[in-house]
Amino acid sequence: QQPVQSPQAVILREGEDAVINCSSSKALYSVHWYRQKHGEAPVFLMILLKGGEQKGHEKISASFNEKKQQSSLYLTASQLSYSGTYFCGTDGGGTSYGKLTFGQGTILTVHP
Amino acid sequence: GAVVSQHPSRVICKSGTSVKIECRSLDFQATTMFWYRQFPKKSLMLMATSNEGSKATYEQGVEKDKFLINHASLTLSTLTVTSAHPEDSSFYICSAKSMREDTDTQYFGPGTRLTVL
Repeated sequence: QQPVQSPQAVILREGEDAVINCSSSKALYSVHWYRQKHGEAPVFLMILLKGGEQKGHEKISASFNEKKQQSSLYLTASQLSYSGTYFCGTDGGGTSYGKLTFGQGTILTVHP
Repeated sequence: GAVVSQHPSRVICKSGTSVKIECRSLDFQATTMFWYRQFPKKSLMLMATSNEGSKATYEQGVEKDKFLINHASLTLSTLTVTSAHPEDSSFYICSAKSMREDTDTQYFGPGTRLTVL
């Protein structure tokens, strides 16, 4: 089942912050976050496996709630290079372990 | 590390012909590779899971006779679009999971844009 991402689009000025959410109707095994620029392949940002987990990657961090149904990606002090479409990919585990179902994407645009 | 390449990056073909797309993990071995399809401004849709030395498993609605997958080695998987038609035009992306990592990270290739005339 496809996870739901929100918002669909975000417009920022450099230095502003953004939060992108990813929700599933059932508990997940893991959540993967990617950024894709137009015409290019998705670039891996991070993976979250544990309920209540928070992890960071420079100015980009993410959380996974205790129930493992919601994840949020936090972009702080945004830079022009952050522009792109952000996807969460969810692994439901069990018989579908290892397979990712991607959300519809969040288009982030950072202006000078 | 963890670089995945795809070849070709772009291909234009006539309707009815077959097209082969290669996916290679350049600096790691991957027992599992995945093939996705992405339409413009849309999300990635998993087509099939490719396992080295065994048959690929296809997602519901994906024709296995049309999209032939071969995972010949730990670093190479190929997708052949047989008897391509204009509706097969899309961006095809592969990903690979590294054997040496204890996580489930998938690394994506740069994608292949297929246009069928």
